[in-house]
Order: sequence, then C-alpha cells, then structure tokens
Amino acid sequence: EIVLVQSPATLSVSPGERATLSCRASQSFSGNLAWYQQNPGQAPRLLIYSASTRATGIPARFSGSGSGTEFTLTISSLQSEDFAVYYCQQYNGWPPYTFGQGTKLEIK
Amino acid sequence: QENLVQSGAEMKKPGASVKVSCQASGYTFTNHYMHWVRQAPGQGLEWMGIIHASGGSTSYAQRLQGRVTMTRDTSTSTVYMELSGLRLEDTAVYYCAREEVGGRGAFDIWGQGTQVTVSS
Repeated sequence: EIVLVQSPATLSVSPGERATLSCRASQSFSGNLAWYQQNPGQAPRLLIYSASTRATGIPARFSGSGSGTEFTLTISSLQSEDFAVYYCQQYNGWPPYTFGQGTKLEIK
Repeated sequence: QENLVQSGAEMKKPGASVKVSCQASGYTFTNHYMHWVRQAPGQGLEWMGIIHASGGSTSYAQRLQGRVTMTRDTSTSTVYMELSGLRLEDTAVYYCAREEVGGRGAFDIWGQGTQVTVSS
C-alpha cells in the first residue's frame, strides 16, 4: 500500500501570497495523483487529477506538479475562499486508494 | 445536473449495523466506479472501498474487511454501504464519491455526507 505524507500539517500564508503544499509517496507510482479542497462541514472538492490537470471549473491559480514520489499543489495568489484543508490522494491501478493526512491552509 | 444524494443521519449502538444509501442522478450510473470515504471527527479522509456500478464487483480496505459490504441497485441508480459490528470509532461522516471516467482514480462528484454516530 502506498502511503502519502503531506507537509506541512499547517501552513500560514497571507492573502495574495503564494502557497506551496507537498505530498510525498512511500514509493514511486503511476502519477495518478489528485488534490482535493475541503471546507468545514462540506464534502471534499476535486481540484487536480493526474498530478497536474485542473478539474472542471477550477481557477487557474491552482496548479499541480510532480511525478514519482514528490508532488506539489501551488496556489499562486491566495483568495479568502482558498483557506481550507487540502488532501492528496493516489490511485496506482488497483485498490487501495489512499489519502494523505491533509494540510490546513490558514490565514497569516 | 450530476448529483449524489445520501440518506440521513444515523445513530446506532455498538455492535449494531448501519446501511447508508447514495442515489445518483444526471449521468449514466453504470459508467462509473463508486467509492465510499469516511471522516472521523477532526480527522482526515479514509478510503473504505469501491464498487463497480455496472457489474457490482467490489474491493474493500483491508482494515474493514469482513465488516463492510457495498452493493448497488441499477434500477434506482443507488449504491449502498453497510457496516456491521459498529464500534465507537466508527463514528464519522460517510461520503459516497464517483470516480471519473478515464481510469485516473480521481473522485469528481461527492455526496453531501451522512453522519453516523455510534454511542451506547
């Protein structure tokens, strides 16, 4: 089973600044990595799939990159609605699917 | 509009079973895999298992094997998740989620969540 470790656990950034979130896998895999945003009391929302492809309706300030074991989600200019918890998730061709433990993005 | 609507909150005693439903609308139900994901209070997301909406094949997270059963009813475009032998630590919000087509494993539509509370 591939284990995903996200860092940092909490990230404090000012509105308008750039945020960089990391997701590291315990072994190299196909690159089917997704990123989700979750606000309190809401279901997660898909942001990025296949490591770097934005989902439908996701603003261009969200971008994903990486391969192998190292993946990154970058938010280029933080808006107030971006402060939330972010999860990475992998799919390596067959179950189990796994999630990282999450990064909380908070206002500095 | 593509949508997943889940059944309402449940309160159960330890040892009991719970069955949560998730009805799909606005798309071809049998074209997708469906997943269940849960989230304990203040915790992250935990993948529970997958069911193929067309053929009904399933695969479950190892730690839930023997306690979880996922089924589907194609006539009503509904998937079900039944968890038996409930424990206090099964208290969580349970989500169904649709896997997008293309085999890339991302969950593009989520249900609104169902709160399951296990308490004596």
